[in-house]
Parts: sequence; C-alpha cells; structure tokens
Amino acid sequence: KAGVTQTPRYLIKTRGQQVTLSCSPISGHRSVSWYQQTPGQGLQFLFEYFSETQRNKGNFPGRFSGRQFSNSRSEMNVSTLELGDSALYLCASSSLRGAEQYFGPGTRLTVT
Amino acid sequence: DAKTTQPPSMDCAEGRAANLPCNHSTISGNEYVYWYRQIHSQGPQYIIHGLKNNETNEMASLIITEDRKSSTLILPHATLRDTAVYYCIVRDGTASKLTFGTGTRLQVTL
Repeated sequence: KAGVTQTPRYLIKTRGQQVTLSCSPISGHRSVSWYQQTPGQGLQFLFEYFSETQRNKGNFPGRFSGRQFSNSRSEMNVSTLELGDSALYLCASSSLRGAEQYFGPGTRLTVT
Repeated sequence: DAKTTQPPSMDCAEGRAANLPCNHSTISGNEYVYWYRQIHSQGPQYIIHGLKNNETNEMASLIITEDRKSSTLILPHATLRDTAVYYCIVRDGTASKLTFGTGTRLQVTL
C-alpha cells in the first residue's frame, strides 16, 4: 500500500504571500491531521479532518486553514506568510479517528 | 492528554538491545501509550502502542508496568538505522491529535 504523500516537498515563499500544501492519505484512510515542526516549538498539532469536516484544531491563528475533499485528500493553506511560518509541515493519516497515525515525508516551507 | 517524561538522550551499541524508558504517572484508564520515532528531517514513524498489556511487533516490544505509570520501548537488536528521536505519547483512545514532547535522542554506535 502506498504511504502518505505530500506535495510539494520543498517550497520557498516571500513574506505576505500565501501557500497551499497538499496531502494524499493512505488509501482507505479517512482521517487526516496536520502538524507543524519547528526547531523552537517542536511538533505541534494544527488540525484534523475527518469526512470533509474539521474535527479538531490546535492553537494556531486563523491564517492557517485547511480542507478535505470527498476522496480524503487534504490541503492546508497559510495566508499572509510570516518568517516564523518557516517549518516542516507534516500530514498524517489514519483509518479511524483515534487510530495510529501514519506520517508523510513533510513539506519544508521557507519564508524569506 | 497525560504528560510524559523521557531522558533527553541515550547511547546504544549496535547489536545490543536499546531500552527507552518513559514516565507517564498521570495516565488515565482510557489512555494508550504510543511510540513514534523520527529520523532526521523525515516524518515521524509509528512504532507500537498499547493500553496495559505488553505488545510486540516486528519493530519493537512495549512493556507497560502494572500500574501503567511507566513504560519501556525495547529495540531488541539496535542497528545504525535506529538512530533517531523517539517519542513516547499518551493519548486518549478517541483523540485525534498526538501531543509530542521533546523525546529521547537515541544514538546507535559501532
């Protein structure tokens, strides 16, 4: 079974721009969660989607948003980018809410 | 979710068993113990999880004490490829998010 895929793998953006990251979960998995990893804050939960609905949200500003499509693929969007948004963004999928999560390789975003 | 405490770093010789401890003294009855690892700059990898019984899979064994206040992840024959940061996470069975701490940096050496 193919794993979680994330595109793009690397991205460079300028402050003030917006960015959209994509995640394709493992086939059959319906829950998709997003995490941000930075050297200073570690791995932090952004939000979770299940059946096209956001089910849980971490402590991030409204500039961070996401959505899930009917095929369980998910996108996250960050608007008005700030330097501090430079991070590794990780997507994880699971078959059910509360089941073990499987992570993708991440998208490394650099904001200049 | 209950808080976990792990040593910041450990060393292990290749071929020996690596025993990674985790304290979770405030764990509640419906919370599971999960272990993930992250090899540099890659996405975290699921290893194993358990509720109260010891668990084993092809990667590792998980030993949970009877009072559930601590656990140990055992890699039976560590290799250089096991060098990674290992995260012990306590999580409610219905919770969607994983709360990562700082983990244990395991260095496997020749």
